[in-house]
Amino acid sequence: DGGITQSPKYLFRKEGQNVTLSCEQNLNHDAMYWYRQDPGQGLRLIYYSQIVNDFQKGDIAEGYSVSREKKESFPLTVTSAQKNPTAFYLCASSIEASGTGELFFGEGSRLTVL
Amino acid sequence: QKEVEQDPGPLSVPEGAIVSLNCTYSNSAFQYFMWYRQYSRKGPELLMYTYSSGNKEDGRFTAQVDKSSKYISLFIRDSQPSDSATYLCAMRINTGNQFYFGTGTSLTVIP
Repeated sequence: DGGITQSPKYLFRKEGQNVTLSCEQNLNHDAMYWYRQDPGQGLRLIYYSQIVNDFQKGDIAEGYSVSREKKESFPLTVTSAQKNPTAFYLCASSIEASGTGELFFGEGSRLTVL
Repeated sequence: QKEVEQDPGPLSVPEGAIVSLNCTYSNSAFQYFMWYRQYSRKGPELLMYTYSSGNKEDGRFTAQVDKSSKYISLFIRDSQPSDSATYLCAMRINTGNQFYFGTGTSLTVIP
């Protein structure tokens, strides 16, 4: 089945450690996104990518990094510079970055910093 | 002012009731509108996707867009306990590369 796979579903990290969240899609979508979801705050955009080897910062990119070496993969690294990383992270994709396509989400990754 | 406003609820209804969920927005350039259902600790699931004004129906779900009032609605008929979730609205313009979300409305359908 086509879809977006995020891993791991749950991750615990000690302060000062970097962690990488995986996102893979087999929908042949050009655009991929990372959002952070906190209670009462809705979805906030971290990074997005319109095409391989290109990505742009979203509203809350500080303390995060991404890469887009393959069309189907868009991993997110939460660095030790992110001051409040405990959150629910959602990866999403759309057939095209600018246009009419709807947005599809993965199942999410819950990161907890101990 | 936020670009998209959504009443967070919580909303509680008896099984079988008609549910009305709503969002308002400020940017008249929005043309594509989405409704998502999100269960606890899961990713949002796309329910409805509509373009411009008008109605779209899919089973028990109806999405309405009123661009003149900058107002969108999702109606759920014959609501079921399995409809208990948070519902998110989202929208985009046709030339933009970002989506804009409401904060979600929490719905509980009581058996």
